[in-house]
Amino acid sequence: QLVLTQSPSASASLGASVKLTCTLSSEHITYAIAWLQQRPEKGPRFLMKLNSVGRHTKGDGIPDRFSGSSSGAERYLTISSLQSDDEADYYCQTWGTGSVVFGGGTKLTVL
Amino acid sequence: EVQLVQSGAEVKKPGESLTISCKASGYSFSTYWIAWVRLMPGKGLEWMGIIYGGDSETRYSPSFQGQVTISADKSISTAFLQWSSLKTSDTAIYYCARPSGDYVLDALEIWGQGTKVTVSS
Repeated sequence: QLVLTQSPSASASLGASVKLTCTLSSEHITYAIAWLQQRPEKGPRFLMKLNSVGRHTKGDGIPDRFSGSSSGAERYLTISSLQSDDEADYYCQTWGTGSVVFGGGTKLTVL
Repeated sequence: EVQLVQSGAEVKKPGESLTISCKASGYSFSTYWIAWVRLMPGKGLEWMGIIYGGDSETRYSPSFQGQVTISADKSISTAFLQWSSLKTSDTAIYYCARPSGDYVLDALEIWGQGTKVTVSS
């Protein structure tokens, strides 16, 4: 079964960097994913599509502070120079044959 | 500009029916899938189902099969999400979203603004 696993929460200080992780189920480690940001009271925003070798394609207007990387079943989202409006829920999303899957989301707190 | 514009907020009573809509513009509706996604208060995003704009082929998440109906009218580039008998547990924000690639399921790149549905007696 295609499953994405995320830690429920993360925190980092203003101006620092944070690396969020999304783990694919073991039979699906070659799958690409998307990273999405959902700020409070806002709709989801596409950040990037990230493949198994770390190549990523970002959405329009997504700053260079957001980058993606991959290792095995892990897909990472790194946010550098954290700003207060980076405080949000971050979801990974993937797709199979006739299905879409979301991770449980990581709530990022900027201290 | 590629856009998905959803219908407005709804307040309904348990047992009532409801259809919400998602109107696409700026691209060929017939060559893309559209997904419906639920966000319940305090919870994460949940995939409900998908529909292909060209022929209305539909797939449902097992969690939502039989609970909702997804349809589309390509003549007006619009997808719909329908309930025949709402429950209080249907209170949520519902989003439609379009993948980045045509003809295939893919990263959900384009999102509607969301429709808030409140079900209360």
